[in-house]
Amino acid sequence: ETGVTQSPTHLIKTRGQQVTLRCSSQSGHNTVSWYQQALGQGPQFIFQYYREEENGRGNFPPRFSGLQFPNYSSELNVNALELDDSALYLCASSLRRSLNTEAFFGQGTRLTVV
Amino acid sequence: GQQLNQSPQSMFIQEGEDVSMNCTSSSIFNTWLWYKQDPGEGPVLLIALYKAGELTSNGRLTAQFGITRKDSFLNISASIPSDVGIYFCAGRVSGNTPLVFGKGTRLSVIA
Repeated sequence: ETGVTQSPTHLIKTRGQQVTLRCSSQSGHNTVSWYQQALGQGPQFIFQYYREEENGRGNFPPRFSGLQFPNYSSELNVNALELDDSALYLCASSLRRSLNTEAFFGQGTRLTVV
Repeated sequence: GQQLNQSPQSMFIQEGEDVSMNCTSSSIFNTWLWYKQDPGEGPVLLIALYKAGELTSNGRLTAQFGITRKDSFLNISASIPSDVGIYFCAGRVSGNTPLVFGKGTRLSVIA
């Protein structure tokens, strides 16, 4: 186990709704990244948070937003859900200032939009 | 943006056989990582590579960081049934920039 925990593990939402996914980072890790993994694909970077601020963003629209809290846990919020948002959402934590501390992933949240 | 080409897309092998998969990039990377993902789980880090030419082992797994810094390979020796899963390569251009992932190699092991 990596120590990165995500909740919930599964979620079903209706198109147009909003969703919040949560992530607790591994102890000692201050950087959280979120990835979207569509079926049969590799994870795609959404954004990263460091010291409670967004620190890099992939090619995702503004309706994907996030937060990082003082304890380094994080939330991913998606507004106006679309069918194509159905995917496994992965959270990864790392220690930014260490070159040799790589990203460790949680088990993911499986989001289904109907 | 950077793209990773991972091959093969899938493999069916007999238990005990060796396996080789590779990843190529359109950009120079300073970090190569190999992950394994089981169904319903997040990717688990297998091997991390940080220097061109570096060859690193983790049990029966061996990975190399290509000299050109645009490729990497992963070998699995004497495969066993628990090696089944999807293997992803991932790379990073510099510093703490985001990881870019390949599309994965699905490995099936026939006992």
